[in-house]
This record gives sequence, C-alpha cells and structure tokens, in this order.
Amino acid sequence: AQSVTQPDIHITVSEGASLELRCNYSYGATPYLFWYVQSPGQGLQLLLKYFSGDTLVQGIKGFEAEFKRSQSSFNLRKPSVHWSDAAEYFCAVGARGNQFYFGTGTSLTVIP
Amino acid sequence: EPEVTQTPSHQVTQMGQEVILRCVPISNHLYFYWYRQILGQKVEFLVSFYNNEISEKSEIFDDQFSVERPDGSNFTLKIRSTKLEDSAMYFCASSGLAGGPYEQYFGPGTRLTVT
Repeated sequence: AQSVTQPDIHITVSEGASLELRCNYSYGATPYLFWYVQSPGQGLQLLLKYFSGDTLVQGIKGFEAEFKRSQSSFNLRKPSVHWSDAAEYFCAVGARGNQFYFGTGTSLTVIP
Repeated sequence: EPEVTQTPSHQVTQMGQEVILRCVPISNHLYFYWYRQILGQKVEFLVSFYNNEISEKSEIFDDQFSVERPDGSNFTLKIRSTKLEDSAMYFCASSGLAGGPYEQYFGPGTRLTVT
C-alpha cells in the first residue's frame, strides 16, 4: 500500500542552524516525490520535486532533498534556517494524474 | 506566474445544507483534484478528474460529494448534505501539462465550517 511517513511531528531549531526533515515512503511503482510547505492559514507551496535522474534535488528558498531508493527516503535539508522557515512541511508521493499521498507533516519552530 | 484560485476562502453553512466550492485550475492543465485537510490532520485525497470524468476517488468521496467542470475554466466540488465532520480545509489542485511536469499545484483552500 502506498504511504508516506514523517517520523518527526515537531522539530525546533535555532535560527542559522541546519535542518533535516525525514520522509519515508512506500509506493508500488517508480515514485515521484515532493515536499510542500504550508504556512499558517495558507495553502500548500511546492518546495521541490524528484522525478528521476540526479538524486539530490534543489528547490526554492535554499532547500534541497536527497532521494535514497535503498532506504525509501526523501529527506529535506537546509544548511541554515531562517525564522521565516517556520511552517508545516509535508512530504508527498504520487504519479502523473494520480492522487498524492501525504505524510502527516512536520511542524518546524525556529527560535532566535 | 499562473496559480490555482479558489472561492470562497471561508464558507460557513448549517448541517444538511448543500455547498459548492469553486476552483479555477491553471489553464491548459489536464488533471484536477480535490483534497481536504481536517484541522491538525494530514492532507487527504478526495477525487481526481481527467477528460471530463472522475479518474480516481477515495473512500471519503461518497455519494454526497460530486465534482463538475461546468465550463472551460471552473472545477467545482459539491457537498449535497453537509455533516459536522465535513468541516475542513478543502484544497483544489491541478497538474499535467501535456508532456510536461507532474507536480500538483494547490490553491489556497476553502475553509468549510459546518455548524
């Protein structure tokens, strides 16, 4: 069955520190993987995506993610977190024209 | 930059009433979706729509729900007889430029409150 697991419900980091948000997936076919960010009261903004090719993908706002097929993971990273990065982060897996499966999200708090 | 729009941003309705949530997907996208997010929970798939018909639907999408693309631009979700548990944020999404990337672009959502 298709599913996405985000093991960390809530993460707190200091501004300027590095960040890694974990995502593991289970998908029957070649996965297309995505990270979305949701600020309070807002919609979902696409941060980055992986379809094929280079397993390290770059996204907006300085985020990157690495696809590791052997670990069924697609972890999101950022070298230096800014206060404006505080938000909810969702990992998703899907395919063209098909539904996306979302993880339960990781809430990020950034402290000064 | 093209974006998905949704109206209204907030809808309050009484239990048993019908509501229609409206979405304008990105033009020339081929696939359209509705998702919902109950407060504090994850985003859940409701239905996908392609070539003027439902291509996939979840268990949540029962007979009280329906979708329609009444013209070349709008995509609507109708809930016939709302229940308290239908209170949620409803997101519309679109994807699939022909031969293009597959990511889904989400609208800002409609917050539905059923009283």
